[in-house]
Amino acid sequence: NAGVMQNPRHLVRRRGQEARLRCSPMKGHSHVYWYRQLPEEGLKFMVYLQKENIIDESGMPKERFSAEFPKEGPSILRIQQVVRGDSAAYFCASSVTGLGTEAFFGQGTRLTVV
Amino acid sequence: SQQGEEDPQALSIQEGENATMNCSYKTSINNLQWYRQNSGRGLVHLILIRSNEREKHSGRLRVTLDTSKKSSSLLITASRAADTASYFCATDALSGGSNYKLTFGKGTLLTVNP
Repeated sequence: NAGVMQNPRHLVRRRGQEARLRCSPMKGHSHVYWYRQLPEEGLKFMVYLQKENIIDESGMPKERFSAEFPKEGPSILRIQQVVRGDSAAYFCASSVTGLGTEAFFGQGTRLTVV
Repeated sequence: SQQGEEDPQALSIQEGENATMNCSYKTSINNLQWYRQNSGRGLVHLILIRSNEREKHSGRLRVTLDTSKKSSSLLITASRAADTASYFCATDALSGGSNYKLTFGKGTLLTVNP
């Protein structure tokens, strides 16, 4: 049973380009969470999704950022017109149900904006 | 300050010693989880303790939870150099109705010297 898979592991984008980060949850998990981690910091919640639904996006910037978790395929975190401040590690986690169960993390995608 | 604050921020001990890290939080929780993160890597789930539990063990790990003080501790016994990592606590709390999300602190950086 593969763990949470994120790709790419490293992504370099020029300012103004788009970044697309992918997350495939663990088998049987229908809840996905995205977090951002700046150097020397903890993880900041961005968005919580279930299949085809955004449950809580209170941590996601209103502009340029969007997330989806379609019926088929991985969850996608999309950042349009990236800026240097978007450089960070982005982690995805999944769980079986939303409440009271362990959340398992992927290895993260390290986005560098040059 | 944010939900889930760990202390100390950094801890340096000798191999074989015990390491204790603490976590405080502000709002009522359903459960609390501890994670380990090696430098530049993803988060590894260590242990989950529910709000109605007071203590839990897993190998060399011992976690306590005091809901009256809104605090938890993680004890690593007989530490090894391989335990060197950042340790985060994460609390889940209801967010806007039935939604919930894991909220992380900034972590404790543990260094175990050989």
